[in-house]
Amino acid sequence: SQQGEEDPQALSIQEGENATMNCSYKTSINNLQWYRQNSGRGLVHLILIRSNEREKHSGRLRVTLDTSKKSSSLLITASRAADTASYFCATGPTGTASKLTFGTGTRLQVTL
Amino acid sequence: DVKVTQSSRYLVKRTGEKVFLECVQDMDHENMFWYRQDPGLGLRLIYFSYDVKMKEKGDIPEGYSVSREKKERFSLILESASTNQTSMYLCASSLPQGTDQPQHFGDGTRLSIL
Repeated sequence: SQQGEEDPQALSIQEGENATMNCSYKTSINNLQWYRQNSGRGLVHLILIRSNEREKHSGRLRVTLDTSKKSSSLLITASRAADTASYFCATGPTGTASKLTFGTGTRLQVTL
Repeated sequence: DVKVTQSSRYLVKRTGEKVFLECVQDMDHENMFWYRQDPGLGLRLIYFSYDVKMKEKGDIPEGYSVSREKKERFSLILESASTNQTSMYLCASSLPQGTDQPQHFGDGTRLSIL
């Protein structure tokens, strides 16, 4: 069963705008990770946030985590056409070594 | 940089064939994973391995088996391929410290079963 559910399923914005994607999950977690997938390629790790953290930044990425609401958001600021990709959240449940459970992804289209 | 290499980008096989998908990583990672990715379903874990000759079933192991004879290589085997196994298959590896490590992915094998 899917642990993470991303929202929206698809998002289309113009270059320079900010893009926000949300992820909800069901059970307790150790951490939550965000990955990016370009069309026809494998996933690339973007950022990891631990369950005791509330916010984390990496370049133009900002991730928040609200464990009380079992949700996370990924914000990409000043988007570029090269940000066009699918974005997935993945949760590492407590008590389960090494396994991640991935959501179904948000497809982001950034137009010029 | 970690490199995870999957032997084929595209593969076409026939129903009933035995199919081998190979994955090699060059960073001495203990953990290796096989996923399949289908539209609307995201990534689903088939099997993973946390050491040589060790394996654990994931969420959808039926119809698949795996082999890990060497640390750097993790093979996925479709014992008797069926059309519902047409999918994108992704291999990944990671360090062993629980789930607090990113996974590194190969570029995937798009498998078609005719």
